[in-house]
Amino acid sequence: KAGVTQTPRYLIKTRGQQVTLSCSPISGHRSVSWYQQTPGQGLQFLFEYFSETQRNKGNFPGRFSGRQFSNSRSEMNVSTLELGDSALYLCASSGDNEQFFGPGTRLTVL
Amino acid sequence: AQSVSQHNHHVILSEAASLELGCNYSYGGTVNLFWYVQYPGQHLQLLLKYFSGDPLVKGIKGFEAEFIKSKFSFNLRKPSVQWSDTAEYFCAGDRGDNAGNMLTFGGGTRLMVKP
Repeated sequence: KAGVTQTPRYLIKTRGQQVTLSCSPISGHRSVSWYQQTPGQGLQFLFEYFSETQRNKGNFPGRFSGRQFSNSRSEMNVSTLELGDSALYLCASSGDNEQFFGPGTRLTVL
Repeated sequence: AQSVSQHNHHVILSEAASLELGCNYSYGGTVNLFWYVQYPGQHLQLLLKYFSGDPLVKGIKGFEAEFIKSKFSFNLRKPSVQWSDTAEYFCAGDRGDNAGNMLTFGGGTRLMVKP
């Protein structure tokens, strides 16, 4: 069974730009959650999508948004990038009362 | 609001030493608790989870954790560590009464095991 995949693995952007990250969950999983990992703030929950609907939302500004497609693949978008958005963005798909994490996308904002 | 805290930020042990990493959560209702491990260069992996029932939970690679409701704790233990246990360990919680998957993580503990 293939694991959670995230693309791209690395991204470099400049302030003010926007970025879209993609996550493909494990086959059969309908829930996808997104987390931001930084050295200063640790792992923080961004949002969760289930059956194409946002089911839970963390405490992040509106510049962070997401969506989920009918095949359960999910994207997150960050608009008007700031230096502080540099982080590892993790996606997790859920099944059997467990979240399975992908390798992450490392975003660097210059 | 729910929170999870890990008191030890860095731990250094010699091989064969016993390990206990502290985790406390703050939430008055039903909680689901997890320990994840992140080996260098690898993604987060689940070590063990607690939902209900026996408060002593056994996970992979010889790890176990005990849920003590009266102390709001869920400490991770291993009787004898190996060099390969060098990694960062995260405690996480999820409200048991919430529909969905929304983990709150502790700050993590970096464990270094000296050979």
